[in-house]
Amino acid sequence: DAGITQSPRHKVTETGTPVTLRCHQTENHRYMYWYRQDPGHGLRLIHYSYGVKDTDKGEVSDGYSVSRSKTEDFLLTLESATSSQTSVYFCAISESQRDSLGETQYFGPGTRLLVL
Amino acid sequence: AQKITQTQPGMFVQEKEAVTLDCTYDTSDPSYGLFWYKQPSSGEMIFLIYQGSYDQQNATEGRYSLNFQKARKSANLVISASQLGDSAMYFCAMRVPYNQGGKLIFGQGTELSVKP
Repeated sequence: DAGITQSPRHKVTETGTPVTLRCHQTENHRYMYWYRQDPGHGLRLIHYSYGVKDTDKGEVSDGYSVSRSKTEDFLLTLESATSSQTSVYFCAISESQRDSLGETQYFGPGTRLLVL
Repeated sequence: AQKITQTQPGMFVQEKEAVTLDCTYDTSDPSYGLFWYKQPSSGEMIFLIYQGSYDQQNATEGRYSLNFQKARKSANLVISASQLGDSAMYFCAMRVPYNQGGKLIFGQGTELSVKP
């Protein structure tokens, strides 16, 4: 199994509070991704990173920011949490040295976030 | 715009029978990868099988095979000899080229229930 951990695994917070989710990998993979999973929508990309300090937006990036200061860590921050950000958040990693579309994206265990 | 469509929200299959889960995709890129992931009730995302857009033969991985029909833009998952442990949510996903971030675009998923 790919070495990906997410913390916390569960979190309950109140509307308006900042929240940071952490993704940590031990695979030294270049690409890291944050997705959210909601019923009826599958998984949707929030932000991704293609290297240290290199990040870009996904399709549902509003209200989220990310940072990657080290290869192994990718942080997702909700600056001011809203109830619409209640979701399951998945981190994923992949390596692109061969630039092959067949390289699998491996997923972390997920973080369940409830915003009250 | 790239899109994945899974038209079967839920399916039932008898244990030991084969089942096909439908997936159609839309993209104008000549290079793409197609993936299937399994998500059991425990929540983790498990990679099952991959098909590249230039692959001539259908991918197979044990009891899983991918019926790739490029002209129809379909990538159906076939599970042979269903087992009770196959009950889960199944997601079809398309990977875009790395010059577009290498992200995965997911369908909405199909919930498969295997009956004893």
